[in-house]
Amino acid sequence: GEDVEQSLFLSVREGDSSVINCTYTDSSSTYLYWYKQEPGAGLQLLTYIFSNMDMKQDQRLTVLLNKKDKHLSLRIADTQTGDSAIYFCAEKSGANNLFFGTGTRLTVIP
Amino acid sequence: GAVVSQHPSWVICKSGTSVKIECRSLDFQATTMFWYRQFPKQSLMLMATSNEGSKATYEQGVEKDKFLINHASLTLSTLTVTSAHPEDSSFYICSASWGRTGGFGYQPQHFGDGTRLSIL
Repeated sequence: GEDVEQSLFLSVREGDSSVINCTYTDSSSTYLYWYKQEPGAGLQLLTYIFSNMDMKQDQRLTVLLNKKDKHLSLRIADTQTGDSAIYFCAEKSGANNLFFGTGTRLTVIP
Repeated sequence: GAVVSQHPSWVICKSGTSVKIECRSLDFQATTMFWYRQFPKQSLMLMATSNEGSKATYEQGVEKDKFLINHASLTLSTLTVTSAHPEDSSFYICSASWGRTGGFGYQPQHFGDGTRLSIL
């Protein structure tokens, strides 16, 4: 079955860039997503990338996809304290179901 | 756009009680709704998927008689935890998509804010 892995924790200083990594095993993934979860809340869709793209930029967010290595990353430029949250990558292959990674807890140090 | 409202946000009740959680898509028609369960500091575990007007499809290990799902309209799905026990205490999150299960293309899931269920 599908397996999506992320590192559990990341700490950065305010103003620095954050890079959150994700690896997946399903080579037939069509779309890959990044979601943000703040404490006690649901998931907020941040961005997505289609599997035939290498990069997508949306304001402070840059998504890089290496399909050969099945590696996805999310870069947050100029990280702010409000970016502290858990970030989930998710992949979709064919059917509408999403398979979520384990989540990376980002802590921004003022 | 694409707002999903989940209600209630927090429930505390006695063991043996049945609890109903509602998930509404406010500004779009949700052809498909998903119910997830999240344990502390863990990822989301998909419980079931429902297409409007059809019976829900449950993931392996999820008791359909325990977790009743109704998706009677394009804007509302409900999850009823029947005869809840302390081990059912968890964070339940719904999501909604305008795509039908099995469909291709960009059909993101939009999530509610979750319901924290505590069974005493």
